Amino acid sequence: NAGVMQNPRHLVRRRGQEARLRCSPMKGHSHVYWYRQLPEEGLKFMVYLQKENIIDESGMPKERFSAEFPKEGPSILRIQQVVRGDSAAYFCASSPPAGAYEQFFGPGTRLTVL
Amino acid sequence: AQSVTQPDIHITVSEGASLELRCNYSYGATPYLFWYVQSPGQGLQLLLKYFSGDTLVQGIKGFEAEFKRSQSSFNLRKPSVHWSDAAEYFCAVGPEGSNDYKLSFGAGTTVTVRA
Repeated sequence: NAGVMQNPRHLVRRRGQEARLRCSPMKGHSHVYWYRQLPEEGLKFMVYLQKENIIDESGMPKERFSAEFPKEGPSILRIQQVVRGDSAAYFCASSPPAGAYEQFFGPGTRLTVL
Repeated sequence: AQSVTQPDIHITVSEGASLELRCNYSYGATPYLFWYVQSPGQGLQLLLKYFSGDTLVQGIKGFEAEFKRSQSSFNLRKPSVHWSDAAEYFCAVGPEGSNDYKLSFGAGTTVTVRA
């Protein structure tokens, strides 16, 4: 059973460009969570999604950031007009419908904004 | 709101020595508690979790943790560390309610193992 997949693992963007981060949950998992880890800090919750629904986006910046989890395909975290402060590691986690208390994490995408 | 404090930013320990990492939490009810390990450039791996029951929890890689409600602590221990235990360790708590699914993480403790 493959784990949570994230791609790309490393992403370099120039200021003003768009960044798209993808997350494929574990097989059988329908809940996806995105977290951001800034340098020297722990992970901070961004958004929680189920298929075709955003359940909780209380940790997502109000501007430039969006997330989706379509019926088919991976979850996407999209950052428009990136700035240097967006440089961080972005982790995706997934959980099964009945086990939201335990989340399984992907390897992360490390975004560098030049 | 729930929060997690890991008082030690960095710990250095000799190979074969014991290790204890501290974690204190602030939480309004019975917490769900987790310890994750992150090796350099890697994702997070779950070491162990506490939901209820026995307050001494056994995990993978020889780690254990003890939940102490009176001290609001969930410290991680290993009797004899190996060089491969060098990594960053995160304590997490959550969720806070039936409609809350997010984990709150501490800032992490970096463990260095010297030969």
